Amino acid sequence: GEDVEQSLFLSVREGDSSVINCTYTDSSSTYLYWYKQEPGAGLQLLTYIFSNMDMKQDQRLTVLLNKKDKHLSLRIADTQTGDSAIYFCAFTSNSGNTPLVFGKGTRLSVIA
Amino acid sequence: GAGVSQSPRYKVTKRGQDVALRCDPISGHVSLYWYRQALGQGPEFLTYFNYEAQQDKSGLPNDRFSAERPEGSISTLTIQRTEQRDSAMYRCASSFRRGGYTDTQYFGPGTRLTVL
Repeated sequence: GEDVEQSLFLSVREGDSSVINCTYTDSSSTYLYWYKQEPGAGLQLLTYIFSNMDMKQDQRLTVLLNKKDKHLSLRIADTQTGDSAIYFCAFTSNSGNTPLVFGKGTRLSVIA
Repeated sequence: GAGVSQSPRYKVTKRGQDVALRCDPISGHVSLYWYRQALGQGPEFLTYFNYEAQQDKSGLPNDRFSAERPEGSISTLTIQRTEQRDSAMYRCASSFRRGGYTDTQYFGPGTRLTVL
């Protein structure tokens, strides 16, 4: 995780928006992902973005990519208690199948 | 199967014993990855296969760790002479690999290994 930095904790009230941030160092990052990990469950892919995109929206999720600053964010609109989980950003380099490099994860707590 | 499956889900072993962790990828997926996740950390890459060929094993921490995928489907990660520091969640992922371009990796539920 040393190539990917995330804040460890975020707490929001139900119904508010959550913004989870991630910075990375590898300029060759080509594909950037957000995964969700719930207790006792596997890693669930939430969304991804290609490096030639600035923004991607998928229902309540909005991903923003600032390549110049190497900053990736995930916004969850109308956050629900079911969104409480650990969120990992991850990236791969190049265009072939390569391993994912993960951040340490941000634990999102949603207060009812 | 519908998703990636891993077995066992939990494994408790004594230091010095060998363990074998199994991963059954999504049917038709070409690539299979192994990751290890310590508590409070993100997953870290161990090794991966395209079909039966091991493409990269640079993440294996030492020669006590090995992996195989003899028929290009199910994979086994073996840890010999386990040590307490091997305790972690071991995660497997698979992807389809379309025309050489990166495809999404889908993860299994993981195997929680505890070495006493």
